[in-house]
Amino acid sequence: NAGVTQTPKFQVLKTGQSMTLQCAQDMNHEYMSWYRQDPGMGLRLIHYSVGAGITDQGEVPNGYNVSRSTTEDFPLRLLSAAPSQTSVYFCASSPPGYRVGYTFGSGTRLTVV
Amino acid sequence: TQLLEQSPQFLSIQEGENLTVYCNSSSVFSSLQWYRQEPGEGPVLLVTVVTGGEVKKLKRLTFQFGDARKDSSLHITAAQTGDTGLYLCAGDRGGNQFYFGTGTSLTVIP
Repeated sequence: NAGVTQTPKFQVLKTGQSMTLQCAQDMNHEYMSWYRQDPGMGLRLIHYSVGAGITDQGEVPNGYNVSRSTTEDFPLRLLSAAPSQTSVYFCASSPPGYRVGYTFGSGTRLTVV
Repeated sequence: TQLLEQSPQFLSIQEGENLTVYCNSSSVFSSLQWYRQEPGEGPVLLVTVVTGGEVKKLKRLTFQFGDARKDSSLHITAAQTGDTGLYLCAGDRGGNQFYFGTGTSLTVIP
């Protein structure tokens, strides 16, 4: 059972480039979320989804897009990378009744130069 | 402004000492969770508390949810080097969004 798989683990982008961070889970979880983690800021929610075909914005959605065509996959797209998007990105999933807690992936460390 | 503030931000203690980490907010939460994160990994859930005043114990870790459901604490007894990590609280206000605290970085020195 792989849990939540994120790829790539590391990425360096130039300002203005676009890319997609991949997230896949094999636990049939309905809830999936993307967070970014910055020093002293904890984890901040970017976008989330409560099921296939349904997405919504979190606290810091600007500059990011998401889609949820299947239960398993929840990719995060950076449209035009900016240095302010340098961060560690985490994907997380949860079954319905989200109080049971999230399962997190191991993260993608993104640097925008 | 973070919805959940944790204190202290950094904590360095000797092995065998006790410690308490706090998670505070001016908002009421339906539930609150504590996670531990190790370098290079994602957070791992430790516990969920849902009732005001609730106390949960996980071996040497004791978690408490405030009576008004606005705050929580994590107490570790006789800390061990394996307790080293970043401790994060997270809460929901009944919607689909989970808000994370600013984190407490704990270092236990042998």
